[in-house]
Amino acid sequence: SQQGEEDPQALSIQEGENATMNCSYKTSINNLQWYRQNSGRGLVHLILIRSNEREKHSGRLRVTLDTSKKSSSLLITASRAADTASYFCATDQGSNYQLIWGAGTKLIIKP
Amino acid sequence: KAGVTQTPRYLIKTRGQQVTLSCSPISGHRSVSWYQQTPGQGLQFLFEYFSETQRNKGNFPGRFSGRQFSNSRSEMNVSTLELGDSALYLCASSPQAGGLNYGYTFGSGTRLTVV
Repeated sequence: SQQGEEDPQALSIQEGENATMNCSYKTSINNLQWYRQNSGRGLVHLILIRSNEREKHSGRLRVTLDTSKKSSSLLITASRAADTASYFCATDQGSNYQLIWGAGTKLIIKP
Repeated sequence: KAGVTQTPRYLIKTRGQQVTLSCSPISGHRSVSWYQQTPGQGLQFLFEYFSETQRNKGNFPGRFSGRQFSNSRSEMNVSTLELGDSALYLCASSPQAGGLNYGYTFGSGTRLTVV
């Protein structure tokens, strides 16, 4: 079973707009990771945020983590056509050395 | 430095056959994990190897097996192929077991089609 649940399942926005997608999980975690997958290709690691961190930035990406709500959000600012991809969150439960993956958010950036 | 290399990229097999997929991790990475990705089931964990030992196994039948060599290269094998085994098989490597602290680096995958 998958612990992470991404929301929304799909998102379509105009180029230049900001895109926000959310991830919720069920149990305590050590860290949460976001990945991007372009169509039919491997996943690319974007950001890892630890449970004692609340916010992290990487270029146009901003990730927040709210452990009290067991949720995280990924914000992509000033979106570009190249951001069109599926975005996955993965959580580390700690003891079993296995990441738990969500079903992903499919993001489409319209030119 | 070179990324995670998976071979072959594409494969077409017939039901009942067996297949072996290969993965070369990033140099220095001792953890290799395998995932199956299908449109219906999403990303499903198969197994993870760390220093030649299987650390974790997902909920897949015994037809799915793997191994890791002393140079950290890994292979996975699927025997008695079924139509439902058609999927993108992804390999990921990490310095630590489970992708902890560093995350995973993924290969481009092997697209397996069973006919």
